[in-house]
Amino acid sequence: EPEVTQTPSHQVTQMGQEVILRCVPISNHLYFYWYRQILGQKVEFLVSFYNNEISEKSEIFDDQFSVERPDGSNFTLKIRSTKLEDSAMYFCASQGTAGYGYTFGSGTRLTVV
Amino acid sequence: AQTVTQSQPEMSVQEAETVTLSCTYDTSESDYYLFWYKQPPSRQMILVIRQEAYKQQNATENRFSVNFQKAAKSFSLKISDSQLGDAAMYFCAYRALSGGTYKYIFGTGTRLKVLA
Repeated sequence: EPEVTQTPSHQVTQMGQEVILRCVPISNHLYFYWYRQILGQKVEFLVSFYNNEISEKSEIFDDQFSVERPDGSNFTLKIRSTKLEDSAMYFCASQGTAGYGYTFGSGTRLTVV
Repeated sequence: AQTVTQSQPEMSVQEAETVTLSCTYDTSESDYYLFWYKQPPSRQMILVIRQEAYKQQNATENRFSVNFQKAAKSFSLKISDSQLGDAAMYFCAYRALSGGTYKYIFGTGTRLKVLA
């Protein structure tokens, strides 16, 4: 069964550093998403991406965040200057057509120290 | 704005017994999807079951079934013949249609413990 692949599985970074979280969505999917889950809390929507542009973003997704699909296969989330409160599990998801649910990646655990 | 509420932070069930997890939601839309996701300790998000709002029939996937009450905006998950491997966090999710894409709104989750 096709998978969404996220790398790395765990990243530790110093506060103020830039991080890039990488995702390889399922190849024929059209819609891409990033979600965040702070430990012990619910999963929160960050951003959706379609047709090479952001479709929607949440209040969490401020100027420190950006997304890119640089080469038609990877889908990245960049955090420019990480804060302690950015520590969370970040999930990438992709979706083929409107009628189906997402396929989530296995997540990247980001720890900001 | 749409909201999803899971009022049971934690539930326990004996192995082989049946348990029902509750979920309610609020929306003004008539067409939408509802999902249950399982999150084991590995924290991966695994789709358990989904329901289209326009379908009257409740979705079923093996030991998992839902009780979808559209008028009451209720979407509960029933797990029959519970197994130790069912122990996990369970999240109810509503899929809104917004901006041409389909963001999910998740509930706060229910932690299910399965007792041997």
